[in-house]
Amino acid sequence: AQTVTQSQPEMSVQEAETVTLSCTYDTSENNYYLFWYKQPPSRQMILVIRQEAYKQQNATENRFSVNFQKAAKSFSLKISDSQLGDTAMYFCAFMTMDSNYQLIWGAGTKLIIKP
Amino acid sequence: NAGVTQTPKFRVLKTGQSMTLLCAQDMNHEYMYWYRQDPGMGLRLIHYSVGEGTTAKGEVPDGYNVSRLKKQNFLLGLESAAPSQTSVYFCASSYWDRSLAKNIQYFGAGTRLSVL
Repeated sequence: AQTVTQSQPEMSVQEAETVTLSCTYDTSENNYYLFWYKQPPSRQMILVIRQEAYKQQNATENRFSVNFQKAAKSFSLKISDSQLGDTAMYFCAFMTMDSNYQLIWGAGTKLIIKP
Repeated sequence: NAGVTQTPKFRVLKTGQSMTLLCAQDMNHEYMYWYRQDPGMGLRLIHYSVGEGTTAKGEVPDGYNVSRLKKQNFLLGLESAAPSQTSVYFCASSYWDRSLAKNIQYFGAGTRLSVL
């Protein structure tokens, strides 16, 4: 079975600091996709960043970047220059093409940015 | 700029009552999904659809039924609500972009359901 594990239930950092959220996954597939979604208090799920497993280069989106280690099945999210608006739940998710693009989700990490 | 719209946003039911949650998307997406979100857990897939007229079971389908009579709508039904179905329900839609080789799910704002 494919699983996604987020080992940090909650983290807090000061505004402007850098924070890294961890995610590991388990799969026997070779072709898959990984995502980080953000869920602010408004409850809306917002895509932060995605990574294709066949790409060695780590994805980046402005202040957000990932460290994708395929052999270790690790997919961490780094937020640089953190802002108060980054306070949210962050979910790591995994998708394979063979599964009709179903997402398998981690339990989430609550990130609090302190002023 | 509607995207994925879920109705209602909140609902309180008594045990045994029935209700239908509506999900509508205006992006012409083929794939639609219903998830539930419970405290301390990631989203879990209830049912999904790969196109108009099709439905399939996800990870936690028991107690729910779905229908996709129109491409833009995906209905989630609870025939006899139970307290264990108290949760936040999310609908999502997606399509496979062949040129970019990507499939991204877009989410509705969620429905908070309480079953007493």
